[in-house]
Amino acid sequence: DAGITQSPRHKVTETGTPVTLRCHQTENHRYMYWYRQDPGHGLRLIHYSYGVKDTDKGEVSDGYSVSRSKTEDFLLTLESATSSQTSVYFCAISEGGEGDTQYFGPGTRLTVL
Amino acid sequence: QKEVEQDPGPLSVPEGAIVSLNCTYSNSAFQYFMWYRQYSRKGPELLMYTYSSGNKEDGRFTAQVDKSSKYISLFIRDSQPSDSATYLCAVSGNEKLTFGTGTRLTIIP
Repeated sequence: DAGITQSPRHKVTETGTPVTLRCHQTENHRYMYWYRQDPGHGLRLIHYSYGVKDTDKGEVSDGYSVSRSKTEDFLLTLESATSSQTSVYFCAISEGGEGDTQYFGPGTRLTVL
Repeated sequence: QKEVEQDPGPLSVPEGAIVSLNCTYSNSAFQYFMWYRQYSRKGPELLMYTYSSGNKEDGRFTAQVDKSSKYISLFIRDSQPSDSATYLCAVSGNEKLTFGTGTRLTIIP
């Protein structure tokens, strides 16, 4: 998985609780991404980062926030989890630039009851 | 209209068959096209990468892009049970990837 780890790998939580997912890379890549994957929707971009403290919204950013204080770590926070955020979350990294390929982590399976 | 459309399948073929997977896209500005393979409960892994129109071959896999019709294809020759996975097409634009929904493929021994 190209030097990318995600934690936790599985999590079950209750509606209304805050949740933080962590992505850690050892490749020193500039760009990091958070996606969610749902049946019938494929992979959808939540937020991405193009450098330390530099982030931007993706296609489905409502209800999510991110932070990147170090090159190697990218955190995804659900401030108040809802059942609609039950999904599999993937982190990806790339060196950046047009056409650059992205490499994915193993995923975090989140269930919000 | 979605930027990338992909038939979700599922698709089941016998071992040894030729498999054809396809996507269409809407934005003619896209120049980079990729295929990812995703095994069950794993992250997607890059399988093929193509720039602009044309073919690219890697072993049993061939990626084809026809920009005039905005159509991208992946062909798998001599399919094997180990090819059973979900295949996602992706197009690159504005430093972001847009993915198709994925086609679930099963190769029957």
